[in-house]
Amino acid sequence: GENVEQHPSTLSVQEGDSAVIKCTYSDSASNYFPWYKQELGKRPQLIIDIRSNVGEKKDQRIAVTLNKTAKHFSLHITETQPEDSAVYFCAPNKGTDKLIFGTGTRLQVFP
Amino acid sequence: EAEVAQSPRYKITEKSQAVAFWCDPISGHATLYWYRQILGQGPELLVQFQDESVVDDSQLPKDRFSAERLKGVDSTLKIQPAELGDSAMYLCASSPEFGRADYGYTFGSGTRLTVV
Repeated sequence: GENVEQHPSTLSVQEGDSAVIKCTYSDSASNYFPWYKQELGKRPQLIIDIRSNVGEKKDQRIAVTLNKTAKHFSLHITETQPEDSAVYFCAPNKGTDKLIFGTGTRLQVFP
Repeated sequence: EAEVAQSPRYKITEKSQAVAFWCDPISGHATLYWYRQILGQGPELLVQFQDESVVDDSQLPKDRFSAERLKGVDSTLKIQPAELGDSAMYLCASSPEFGRADYGYTFGSGTRLTVV
């Protein structure tokens, strides 16, 4: 089965700094790469995703980059704000409807 | 914005008791999922329904867990008897298309279960 790891497991940044979270996966058949954000006690919410035919995608302050050869993709958050504080999960997918989540990264943004 | 409804929001139960959770997916979503999220970990799929049929329950501990979606709309997940290790967030999700995670996949707010 898919083996999904995220690094780092925790990340603390000052407001305004950038944050990068990396997701490494094992299944080369994966072709859809979403990132979910989960605030404390709330539901996971999709914040950005990318498909295997695209190397990078950006949406305002967040971006995702994909390296299929190395089997990893990363979430980039620029100009971080306190409301970015949450746990972020990657869930690389090979075209099925079963999401296999990574180990999670807790991001804390300090004012 | 359409939502996946879940109840109760919180549940405290004693071990060996029975407990049930309810989920109402977004209208028109044929596929429904139950996930379990242990504190500090990512959600893990327990069971998947397509309409009223179970299509995947390989990770469901069937000795104590059961799930049903009798009319292909709302669903109930039951644990009997509950054990201390069942303490977790139980998340329901739905999607409009079978076999795809990249379109319309929506989670509910979850039920936080504490077994004492």
